[in-house]
Amino acid sequence: EAQVTQNPRYLITVTGKKLTVTCSQNMNHEYMSWYRQDPGLGLRQIYYSMNVEVTDKGDVPEGYKVSRKEKRNFPLILESPSPNQTSLYFCATQIRGIGGMNTEAFFGQGTRLTVV
Amino acid sequence: AQKITQTQPGMFVQEKEAVTLDCTYDTSDPSYGLFWYKQPSSGEMIFLIYQGSYDQQNATEGRYSLNFQKARKSANLVISASQLGDSAMYFCAMRRNTGTASKLTFGTGTRLQVTL
Repeated sequence: EAQVTQNPRYLITVTGKKLTVTCSQNMNHEYMSWYRQDPGLGLRQIYYSMNVEVTDKGDVPEGYKVSRKEKRNFPLILESPSPNQTSLYFCATQIRGIGGMNTEAFFGQGTRLTVV
Repeated sequence: AQKITQTQPGMFVQEKEAVTLDCTYDTSDPSYGLFWYKQPSSGEMIFLIYQGSYDQQNATEGRYSLNFQKARKSANLVISASQLGDSAMYFCAMRRNTGTASKLTFGTGTRLQVTL
């Protein structure tokens, strides 16, 4: 079964304690992205990766790091979490379609993070 | 810069009736894709329908259809014969088809409530 798996699903942590949210896909997709969802703001892209070892910033990258050492994994790292990073986080993958035109994004189940 | 606007924070519809969720967009790119996603209360993001900027006909997927008016830059989602299970948050999104194909720009969403 095609899957995008995020872990953990729920996390409560304290300010400044480093954490990693994992994302793994079994669809052999080239593109992977991280989004955060906040009420009234929709989803905003944090970072994306077009392939192994190729990553770039999205719209709201401050306070986050990513790495893409393997095609299937794209972890999101919060080196020093702060309360304003409390949010619902989604990992998404896409196949590299012709011109990237008509390929929908497949989303993980989401990770609800609370930083106190 | 790309922008998606969803002006209806919340909508109510009676079961078995049709409902239209509004979406307008702003882009200077000639080639782009428009997407609708459904987010039920469980939180996952479910792809519903896609419309390409060069598609001549409006997209349809079962009870979902996309009313694409390119000159007005609108891409409204029409749900026919609403069901209780359609109660959810709905997001309109756009992706440019040049350069970074992996970024989706989302609207702020519309919460649809289907009533008996």
